[in-house]
Amino acid sequence: EVHLLESGGALVQPGGSLRLSCEASGFTFSTYAMNWVRQAPGKGLEWVSGISGSGSNTYYADSVKGRVTISRDNSKNTVYLQMNSLRVEDTAVYSCAKDFGVVPSNFDYWGHGTLVTVSS
Amino acid sequence: QSVLTQPPSVSAAPGQKVTISCSGSSSNIGNNYVSWYQQLPGTAPKLLIYEYHKRPSGIPDRFSGSKSATSATLGITGLQTGDEADYYCGTWDSSLSAYVFGTGTKVTVL
Repeated sequence: EVHLLESGGALVQPGGSLRLSCEASGFTFSTYAMNWVRQAPGKGLEWVSGISGSGSNTYYADSVKGRVTISRDNSKNTVYLQMNSLRVEDTAVYSCAKDFGVVPSNFDYWGHGTLVTVSS
Repeated sequence: QSVLTQPPSVSAAPGQKVTISCSGSSSNIGNNYVSWYQQLPGTAPKLLIYEYHKRPSGIPDRFSGSKSATSATLGITGLQTGDEADYYCGTWDSSLSAYVFGTGTKVTVL
């Protein structure tokens, strides 16, 4: 059974940094792309970033480009999201999602998310 | 502001049918596969439809997907109270080089 468990969410001040982690189990991790999707309170889904199975290809939404880095450690079955220069508008629940597409496309399993709150 | 537009809400009585539209452009829906996701209250999204019309294992055939030019449609037949949820379309946008979700549609069973 596929499990995705996010961690690392916290309350952080504007301009601060945070690293989110998503530990996966139940599938051959290195075979699949992974993505981060966020949802601000009471709002819709927003794709943040994606990474290929090997880690050689990464993709970012314009809203986070230059402030966020996605990476993965296939030996630890974990994908990361390093977030810098955080803004109030980055406040959201961040979820990781497994993807069976080539470019970000088909998110077939999701974690329950970790809450990031950016506030002074 | 999303590049994929959905109606904010749709509703119907139990047993009836609803359709949810997702309007985009040639850089997204027109040339890339569309997926549909269901998000029940307080839960993580679930993949309902991928590649316009395919259903993952375990998704009932009450859910269907289609595409015409630069729009996609999700259909739900035999509406049940358990279908009350938010529904999102999503696809790759070749111009943005980014994945985009629709604005979301809330389905209410009357």
